Amino acid sequence: GENVEQHPSTLSVQEGDSAVIKCTYSDSASNYFPWYKQELGKRPQLIIDIRSNVGEKKDQRIAVTLNKTAKHFSLHITETQPEDSAVYFCAASSGGSYIPTFGRGTSLIVHP
Amino acid sequence: KAGVTQTPRYLIKTRGQQVTLSCSPISGHRSVSWYQQTPGQGLQFLFEYFSETQRNKGNFPGRFSGRQFSNSRSEMNVSTLELGDSALYLCASSSGQKWGYTFGSGTRLTVV
Repeated sequence: GENVEQHPSTLSVQEGDSAVIKCTYSDSASNYFPWYKQELGKRPQLIIDIRSNVGEKKDQRIAVTLNKTAKHFSLHITETQPEDSAVYFCAASSGGSYIPTFGRGTSLIVHP
Repeated sequence: KAGVTQTPRYLIKTRGQQVTLSCSPISGHRSVSWYQQTPGQGLQFLFEYFSETQRNKGNFPGRFSGRQFSNSRSEMNVSTLELGDSALYLCASSSGQKWGYTFGSGTRLTVV
């Protein structure tokens, strides 16, 4: 089955800095890669996703890149703000089941 | 439209007891997936139900079971509770035929 590794487990940055979270996956058949943000005490919410036919996708201060050859994808957050503090999960899934396999999460702390 | 509703929000049970959790998906969604979230293990997939049938299953013991009703509402049951079952249990709703998960707010289960 699919295995998703996520690094780092904790990331601490100053407000205004950029943050990068990296994930690798094992199943070459995976073709959909969502990212979820979970604020303390709340449910995970989808913030951005990318499909395997695209190398990069941006949405305001958030971007995701995908390298299919190396089987890794990354989340980039620019100009971080305290409200970006949360746990971020990457995931990978294939069209066969639509069930995503999640990474273990990255706790992002943005210091004002 | 209404989101994914999980009940109850909090539960405290004693070792050896059993528990039933409920999830009502978004109207029109036929797939309900269940996840166990713990600080050390992230989001672990339990099982997925689609049109009243278990379509996918994770690597959890048989004490964890579920079912889905004709209105797509799903229940998850854990028998013979152990201390290690303490976790946040999340359900996720989707159409089941394309990507796109919406999580509920979860049920926080504490086993004492």
